Amino acid sequence: GAVVSQHPSRVICKSGTSVKIECRSLDFQATTMFWYRQFPKQSLMLMATSNEGSKATYEQGVEKDKFLINHASLTLSTLTVTSAHPEDSSFYICSARDNSPGYTFGSGTRLTVV
Amino acid sequence: DAKTTQPNSMESNEEEPVHLPCNHSTISGTDYIHWYRQLPSQGPEYVIHGLTSNVNNRMASLAIAEDRKSSTLILHRATLRDAAVYYCILRDGGAWETSGSRLTFGEGTQLTVNP
Repeated sequence: GAVVSQHPSRVICKSGTSVKIECRSLDFQATTMFWYRQFPKQSLMLMATSNEGSKATYEQGVEKDKFLINHASLTLSTLTVTSAHPEDSSFYICSARDNSPGYTFGSGTRLTVV
Repeated sequence: DAKTTQPNSMESNEEEPVHLPCNHSTISGTDYIHWYRQLPSQGPEYVIHGLTSNVNNRMASLAIAEDRKSSTLILHRATLRDAAVYYCILRDGGAWETSGSRLTFGEGTQLTVNP
């Protein structure tokens, strides 16, 4: 089946620094990828939709200058959290459209900002 | 996005069947019904999806009401590994190439499986 690899699985960074999270489709080409954020005991919240070769579409209330998304190839999308603050600590999850059921999710990245 | 309503939590005993309900009274004709589940600290996992007819796969069965305003995910024999949050989501099949094809998650149902 389709596999989406997300890296790193955990990251701790200092307040004010930037963190990059990678999302790769391993055995299929993903023209569209999605980025979600999940706080403890809450559901997934869609942050943005990234399309290969074009600008990402951000959901209302998500700061595009803070959460930089790059989808430069058909197998890789990256999310960079810039100038991270403790309130950005969360579980970030990517997903990609594949050819069968439609969506495959990465295993998530636990970001802790100290 | 059309909304779904699920119970917050359900309990089951191991090796017994589980029926997880989902109401989607505002479903449109092009909306597919998707089910995903999420184990703690993991990304969601696809379970099953359907449009109008009941569907079966190795993981579960999906029973869709005739008017499509509700559906039920059936786990035939629950195991401890089935303990997860189950999400029922509507995906617009008519907007595959646009942002309307994104999945919007509700609160889901926390399934507890007792040994």
